[in-house]
Amino acid sequence: DAKTTQPNSMESNEEEPVHLPCNHSTISGTDYIHWYRQLPSQGPEYVIHGLTSNVNNRMASLAIAEDRKSSTLILHRATLRDAAVYYCILREKRQGGSEKLVFGKGMKLTVNP
Amino acid sequence: EPEVTQTPSHQVTQMGQEVILRCVPISNHLYFYWYRQILGQKVEFLVSFYNNEISEKSEIFDDQFSVERPDGSNFTLKIRSTKLEDSAMYFCASDNRGRYTGELFFGEGSRLTVL
Repeated sequence: DAKTTQPNSMESNEEEPVHLPCNHSTISGTDYIHWYRQLPSQGPEYVIHGLTSNVNNRMASLAIAEDRKSSTLILHRATLRDAAVYYCILREKRQGGSEKLVFGKGMKLTVNP
Repeated sequence: EPEVTQTPSHQVTQMGQEVILRCVPISNHLYFYWYRQILGQKVEFLVSFYNNEISEKSEIFDDQFSVERPDGSNFTLKIRSTKLEDSAMYFCASDNRGRYTGELFFGEGSRLTVL
């Protein structure tokens, strides 16, 4: 499985934008970039995913570098509820078959009031 | 919003006992997964299940583990003879590749404590 590299942790302030970086220099053409997060004592939660183009949804935006070797998850206005471990994961889209997620250590985001 | 539900939320068992963890995936989903997370460690893939059979399993998923979809709604993980190192949070997940959104839906987890 292709690997990603994230900082161990980041801090942000409430109501400010947060940019969470991820490097994935060995990404292949069929890998989708997924972001999940895990709030304390909860299961992982899908945030966003993309392939080549930048993506927006109600939770966040995903900016993907032109060469796809890095991406940035953008939380436009951090809230205390956004404090979590964020995982950047490469997921190969296959025809049929399972598409398991392989979680790394993730990056712990602390949001200061 | 549809959700994956898991029971029990917490189970305490003695080493060597059998444990069954239950999951109700989202109703129109076709792919089912079990993951585990030992306290303070990464979320680890155990097994995926599709069309009533295992489609992929990890090295962790040895002969002590089995999965079943007994009645078309529940998805169970059985650990035949628990060991101390099986203590972990176990997460069930599901998705529907027929309408691929990339989103894997996880349950809240079942905490297993083996004494």
